[in-house]
Amino acid sequence: GEDVEQSLFLSVREGDSSVINCTYTDSSSTYLYWYKQEPGAGLQLLTYIFSNMDMKQDQRLTVLLNKKDKHLSLRIADTQTGDSAIYFCAERRSSASKIIFGSGTRLSIRP
Amino acid sequence: DSGVTQTPKHLITATGQRVTLRCSPRSGDLSVYWYQQSLDQGLQFLIQYYNGEERAKGNILERFSAQQFPDLHSELNLSSLELGDSALYFCASSSGREGGTDTQYFGPGTRLTVL
Repeated sequence: GEDVEQSLFLSVREGDSSVINCTYTDSSSTYLYWYKQEPGAGLQLLTYIFSNMDMKQDQRLTVLLNKKDKHLSLRIADTQTGDSAIYFCAERRSSASKIIFGSGTRLSIRP
Repeated sequence: DSGVTQTPKHLITATGQRVTLRCSPRSGDLSVYWYQQSLDQGLQFLIQYYNGEERAKGNILERFSAQQFPDLHSELNLSSLELGDSALYFCASSSGREGGTDTQYFGPGTRLTVL
């Protein structure tokens, strides 16, 4: 099928690391993306990773890609209240121009 | 600010009516995408245009239509509106070039409420 799957909710304590997981189905996926959606706003591209990479780090964000298991994760270090949002995983396949989005993971931060 | 603009920001209308949502892509982007985001169905891809031509179609109802104009702005037309059409409608744009990330940049969305 076309599904990109994510868990719906994640709650972490402020200052801890958050890890948001995603699985996808198509091994021909070329690029995988993480988008952030804050309340009442549009989707903002956070980062992306090319399928021939295993890891990408950008400040507090670390993306890990396990191509064999078709598993993507986003780690946010030192999670802050401003990180509260919905995080969408998305894949772009080589055979298609459209991007398939997951259902989003709502990250909430507790003090 | 992504560079993608959408108007109006909010729209309230009645069942059976017709509305038009407008999107201006980022400067230089040739592709425009439309998405519907509702509480129970997440982010649904509706349709994509590239340089004025339809390129890909998703879960778009027959009551909905879209077009991309020569200046590359796009409009999404929703007709015979039903209560279930209440949602956030997002437009995104990308360069449309093959072989690259073709990253999509999203507008702020139009919130449609059908009463």
